[in-house]
Amino acid sequence: GQQLNQSPQSMFIQEGEDVSMNCTSSSIFNTWLWYKQDPGEGPVLLIALYKAGELTSNGRLTAQFGITRKDSFLNISASIPSDVGIYFCAVYNTDKLIFGTGTRLQVFP
Amino acid sequence: DAGVTQSPTHLIKTRGQQVTLRCSPKSGHDTVSWYQQALGQGPQFIFQYYEEEERQRGNFPDRFSGHQFPNYSSELNVNALLLGDSALYLCASSFEDGTEAFFGQGTRLTVV
Repeated sequence: GQQLNQSPQSMFIQEGEDVSMNCTSSSIFNTWLWYKQDPGEGPVLLIALYKAGELTSNGRLTAQFGITRKDSFLNISASIPSDVGIYFCAVYNTDKLIFGTGTRLQVFP
Repeated sequence: DAGVTQSPTHLIKTRGQQVTLRCSPKSGHDTVSWYQQALGQGPQFIFQYYEEEERQRGNFPDRFSGHQFPNYSSELNVNALLLGDSALYLCASSFEDGTEAFFGQGTRLTVV
């Protein structure tokens, strides 16, 4: 079935550093989303992307929808301790979400 | 404005038993989807309900069934529980076009 591959699988960074993670697919998708999930909680929508090439920001977060419609990346600037969690990319495929494998982010003071 | 609410938050069941999980969608949303998230994995789509009908279904056996009520709330039922059904069950609500789904906090089901 369809699969979204995220990299890196995990990241350990120091507070204040910038973070970049990406998500790739072998298929074309027209809507890409980024979610963050804290332990024991449901995913929270961070950014939604609807147009190839689109660059969208939400505070310290910036995401881009790849021009080929097969990838997306998420950047976090000036990381803080509350950025800790698992970041999932997701795409819409016939009204359902397909999630990536996740990137686990750890931030050290 | 209440977001998506799920109950219960935690549940322990024995193999072979049946379980019902509940979800109230975000105000204004009419579509409810259910996902299963095993430890260390991303959520996997189970099925989606719109206008009280199952509109789409993922690769899950018939032991998984659901219902949507006229007020758009929804239930997920799992029969003949297996150990492998232990997971976080997430409910997501959205508008009919499915965009920008909002998730509840999940129900952690443990089968022993």
